[in-house]
Amino acid sequence: QLVLTQSPSASASLGASVTLTCTLSGGHSTYAIAWHQHRPEKGPRYLMTFYYDGSQRKGDGIPDRFSGSSSGVERYLTISSLQSDDEADYYCQTWVTGVQVFGGGTKLTVL
Amino acid sequence: EVQLVESGGGLVKPGGSLRLSCTASGFTFTPYTMNWVRQAPGKGLEWVSSISSIGYHVYYADSVKGRVTISRDDAKNSLYLALNSLRAEDTAVYFCARTVVGLWDGFDIWGQGTMVAVSA
Repeated sequence: QLVLTQSPSASASLGASVTLTCTLSGGHSTYAIAWHQHRPEKGPRYLMTFYYDGSQRKGDGIPDRFSGSSSGVERYLTISSLQSDDEADYYCQTWVTGVQVFGGGTKLTVL
Repeated sequence: EVQLVESGGGLVKPGGSLRLSCTASGFTFTPYTMNWVRQAPGKGLEWVSSISSIGYHVYYADSVKGRVTISRDDAKNSLYLALNSLRAEDTAVYFCARTVVGLWDGFDIWGQGTMVAVSA
């Protein structure tokens, strides 16, 4: 079964960097991951897709402060130079034929 | 501007039906796989359904299979979700979203959502 696991919460200071983690269930280490930002009362915003070969596709207008990486079954979203409006929920997403899967989301607080 | 706008949400009684719509603008609708995703109050995002370009392939989450039907009208740049036999646990904001490329990939364009509330 394809499952994505995210920590429920994370926090970091204004101007600092933070790395959010999304863990693929066992046996799925080669799967691509998309990352989305979701602020309250808004539609989600696509940040990027990170593919297993290390290539990335970014959403329109997404700054270089947002970057993706991976190690084994872990997928990472790093946000540098944190701004107040980075405070949001962040979801990872993956897929296999027949099903799309979202992680439970990480609530990022900017201190 | 590339945009998706959902409509059709509302308050419905358990067992009732509703048809959600999503209108696309700013891009050529036909080639894209389109999707519905929902978010129940206080919960995370949950994939509901996907439909390929032309509508040849459709897929549903187990939680809604048999109760919802996804469809599209490319002439109207529109995506639909028919919800039947609605339950309290179907209460959620429903988003439509575009797949980046092909049939299976991330979702790169999202709408603002439409609220469905199921209550007696």
